[in-house]
Parts: sequence; structure tokens; C-alpha cells
Amino acid sequence: EPEVTQTPSHQVTQMGQEVILRCVPISNHLYFYWYRQILGQKVEFLVSFYNNEISEKSEIFDDQFSVERPDGSNFTLKIRSTKLEDSAMYFCATIAGEGNIQYFGAGTRLSVL
Amino acid sequence: DAKTTQPPSMDCAEGRAANLPCNHSTISGNEYVYWYRQIHSQGPQYIIHGLKNNETNEMASLIITEDRKSSTLILPHATLRDTAVYYCIATRSGGYQKVTFGTGTKLQVIP
Repeated sequence: EPEVTQTPSHQVTQMGQEVILRCVPISNHLYFYWYRQILGQKVEFLVSFYNNEISEKSEIFDDQFSVERPDGSNFTLKIRSTKLEDSAMYFCATIAGEGNIQYFGAGTRLSVL
Repeated sequence: DAKTTQPPSMDCAEGRAANLPCNHSTISGNEYVYWYRQIHSQGPQYIIHGLKNNETNEMASLIITEDRKSSTLILPHATLRDTAVYYCIATRSGGYQKVTFGTGTKLQVIP
């Protein structure tokens, strides 16, 4: 199965600090997504990204969040000033453009103290 | 996306077939049925999808009723590694829209 790589696997930060989560999508994939999962809850959509622009974002994706593809390969999610409630697993996903099959990374566990 | 309903949990003996049902009575003609699973806290994993014909791949089979109001995911010989939460999603193919996950079915494979 194609592989989406996320780094770091675990990030611990202090409340109010900025964090950047990184994703290396499958090379020929064009559509990118971030999801999050708070412990014990459902996987929730955050944002989708195509052609260097946000295609769709959820209510969760407020001004504290941003995404970019800085070097044409990595895809990043930045949280400007983390809050305790941002503690969650964050998953990156990609689509090639055929059908709607999304390939997910293993996730980054973000712990905000 | 059409609403889907799944039982919250199921058990299956190791080596036996696991049959996971999903109800999607309001599915529209252009919506496919997708199945993903999530093993512990790993990223969700795509399993299979279909429109109206039954589908089979190396992981599972998908049986969709003729009226398309329900479907069953079949894992033919469940192993302990198949213990996971299984999500049934009804959504359009193409359009690259987000996946909306529900609460799924927690499948426990018992030795």
C-alpha cells in the first residue's frame, strides 16, 4: 500500500507555543488533507488542500491553524498558539485523483501541557 | 453524504468470517459505499468500496443489497490483527471531498 509519512510521531509542547506537523505525501498525489482525533472521539476533518490553496476547511480550522506546502513535497500543518484542547492525534491523508480513496499517515500525537 | 448506521461492537472468533453490516437507506444513486478501518490509534486504512456490484479484493469482500440500502463487509478469515474499528461511509466517488467518519463498529477478534 502507498505510504504517507508523518513527522514527528509524538510532539510535546507547552501551551501557547507554536507547533509544525509535517507530512510527506505520496509523490504523485495532488490532494492533501489534515484530520484530527481527540482521544476516545471520532476522526474529524480539518482542512483539504489542492494546487497550493485550501479547498475546504471545517469549523475547527480557525485562525490558529494554517497549512502550506513549502517546498513542493512536504505538507505542513501549523498551530500558532497551542491550547490544551489541541491535544490529539493529527493525521495527514492524500488522494491520487482516481476515485476517492484516501491514504492516511500513521499520525502525530500532539500533547499540549 | 448519506447517513450510515453500524452496530457499535461485534466479536468474531479467529479464523472465522467476520460479517460487518451497514445500513445506508438514504443513499443516493451517485454515492458509493466505502469501508475504512482504524487499528488502535493508527491512521485509518482504506479497505474496499463499491457502487452496486459486489466487490472483492485481497483484504475483504463487499456485498451490497440490490436496493443499495445496506451492505456487508466480509473478512473471510479473521485474524487477531483484524481487531479494529470499521467505518462504513456513503459518499460520492471523485470530487476529492473529505471523509466523514462516524463511530463505526469495534470488531474484536477472539483467539
